[in-house]
Parts: sequence; C-alpha cells; structure tokens
Amino acid sequence: DTGVSQDPRHKITKRGQNVTFRCDPISEHNRLYWYRQTLGQGPEFLTYFQNEAQLEKSRLLSDRFSAERPKGSFSTLEIQRTEQGDSAMYLCASRPSGGSSGANVLTFGAGSRLTVL
Amino acid sequence: DAKTTQPTSMDCAEGRAANLPCNHSTISGNEYVYWYRQIHSQGPQYIIHGLKNNETNEMASLIITEDRKSSTLILPHATLRDTAVYYCIVSSNAGNNRKLIWGLGTSLAVNP
Repeated sequence: DTGVSQDPRHKITKRGQNVTFRCDPISEHNRLYWYRQTLGQGPEFLTYFQNEAQLEKSRLLSDRFSAERPKGSFSTLEIQRTEQGDSAMYLCASRPSGGSSGANVLTFGAGSRLTVL
Repeated sequence: DAKTTQPTSMDCAEGRAANLPCNHSTISGNEYVYWYRQIHSQGPQYIIHGLKNNETNEMASLIITEDRKSSTLILPHATLRDTAVYYCIVSSNAGNNRKLIWGLGTSLAVNP
C-alpha cells in the first residue's frame, strides 16, 4: 500500500444520473477526508470520517450527496441526480490519528474528475 | 482558522531558488503554518509545516518571521517538476480541528 487510491479517475455522466466514487486510504490511517475542487480554486472540505464514524459535514454537502465508510477502511461518495454544478475534482485524503504537530499532514489521492453534461 | 494571502503567480528560473511568500497576520498562537503543492491534474502534496522555528526537509525550507505574521517557502534549486500551485495554510492542531481551509495559492512557473 503506497498511497491513497481513488476510482474512477474520470467520470462523464448526464445530468440527473447518479455517480459513486471510491477511496481507499492508506491502511493504517483511521481519518479520511473528502474535498471538492473546481477549476482555479483551492480544495473545499466536504466531510470527514474517523474510522467508520462521519464526524463532520460541510454545508456544501447537500442532501444529494452521501458518504460512507462502512468498515472504517474504504469510503464511497455518492452524488444522486447530478447537476452541471457538480462538475469538479473530488479529492480523498487520509491521515493517522493523533494530536502531534503533524496533525494536518494529509496524504491525498489523485482525485476523481466528474463532468456532468 | 486564520486566512492567508499569497501572490497569484510567480516565475523562477530552473536551478535558482524559488522563494514563495505568505502573509498570515491574524495567526493565533497555537496555529501551525502548512505548505502543500498541487501539480496539474494531481492531488495536493504535503511539503512542510512549522510553528515558530524555521524548518527544513528534503523538499524545502520554511522560514517563519519572529512575529509569525508571515512566512516564506524556499525551494533551493527549482526544477521544471516544481511547476505547481503552492498553498500556504494556517491551522490549529487542536483536537477539534478536522479540516484545512485552502485559499487560491501561488502558481509557480519554473522556466528553463
């Protein structure tokens, strides 16, 4: 296990369809984050898991979005009834627990790029 | 979390040092300065972080002013592969902090 894996890397879908993204974090990392990034902007926080518990959700995460991490390992992010405004890069990141000085050292995946037509 | 201000873009000649500034005048005492970079079409990559002392690792050096209101990321010998967007983020490591707030970053172009 050499890093955070995301699948698929690219997804093109029609408006109104559902899409699901998967993230496999580094195996010993119990904290997992989802971010969204649109062109020319920095990443925006969506949600955060500690093990299987979803501890925080951004206001950006509308009721069409749902994220799970059922066994505290991989996570999925589902978008229902996609809209053109959902077109973005969806980034997953992970880190180990602990309150050391490196608490915000995240390892990111390569991202899943969504295009909604 | 405190906000940061970075130049929109910078250029650097290959082989020269790249000095990327960041202002964080409202930083509080328990907030660290983190630097990440993002190469085109890839996820962000952690570079370095510090609290008040200067830090150095295999990728870069971080110089934080004594009043902690600004910092500079130094890439000592920039290469073409260092062309990327560089993000400066300040964040507490306190237990309730669970996310990073990202700005627009500095787009660094390393030229041959």
